[in-house]
Amino acid sequence: SQQGEEDPQALSIQEGENATMNCSYKTSINNLQWYRQNSGRGLVHLILIRSNEREKHSGRLRVTLDTSKKSSSLLITASRAADTASYFCAANTGGFKTIFGAGTRLFVKA
Amino acid sequence: NAGVTQTPKFQVLKTGQSMTLQCAQDMNHEYMSWYRQDPGMGLRLIHYSVGAGITDQGEVPNGYNVSRSTTEDFPLRLLSAAPSQTSVYFCASKQSNEKLFFGSGTQLSVL
Repeated sequence: SQQGEEDPQALSIQEGENATMNCSYKTSINNLQWYRQNSGRGLVHLILIRSNEREKHSGRLRVTLDTSKKSSSLLITASRAADTASYFCAANTGGFKTIFGAGTRLFVKA
Repeated sequence: NAGVTQTPKFQVLKTGQSMTLQCAQDMNHEYMSWYRQDPGMGLRLIHYSVGAGITDQGEVPNGYNVSRSTTEDFPLRLLSAAPSQTSVYFCASKQSNEKLFFGSGTQLSVL
């Protein structure tokens, strides 16, 4: 079974609004990563948060990690139409393995 | 650097045929892996390798073989293709516990 589970499965918002996606995972992790996938393309790494970190920022992205609840969230502020994509969390469980969740499909309406 | 290169981009097979999906990386990464992505689902790990000569199974290894004779190459073999193996396949590599670099994918249809 997959390590990560994203919530919601799909999200539709207006341009300028914030988008929040949540991820839960099952086992202990070294780090948790978020990736973006445009339709029909490969995945692109967005941000990595280590198990001893609680929050991390990168541009319009903010990631939080709660290891006690085994959960993470990705916030995209001031969303743009170009942010329309699928977003995946991925848990690195140590030993090089990285396990992905099912993803959240984000649609940003112009 | 080209990054991670996958070939072919598209492939159609008949049930029972065999084929090899190629993956090469030029970043000297120790770790390479194969994932499959089915509609509406995330990526599921098929096989991975932590270095030349070392491979291990992921979440869904049945029906697939891999080998890692060099640091650069990590081919995925389908021995006897089945319709259930229709999917998009991604190869990825990384160094240590850092981010993965993905290839552009291979869309495989098994009739």
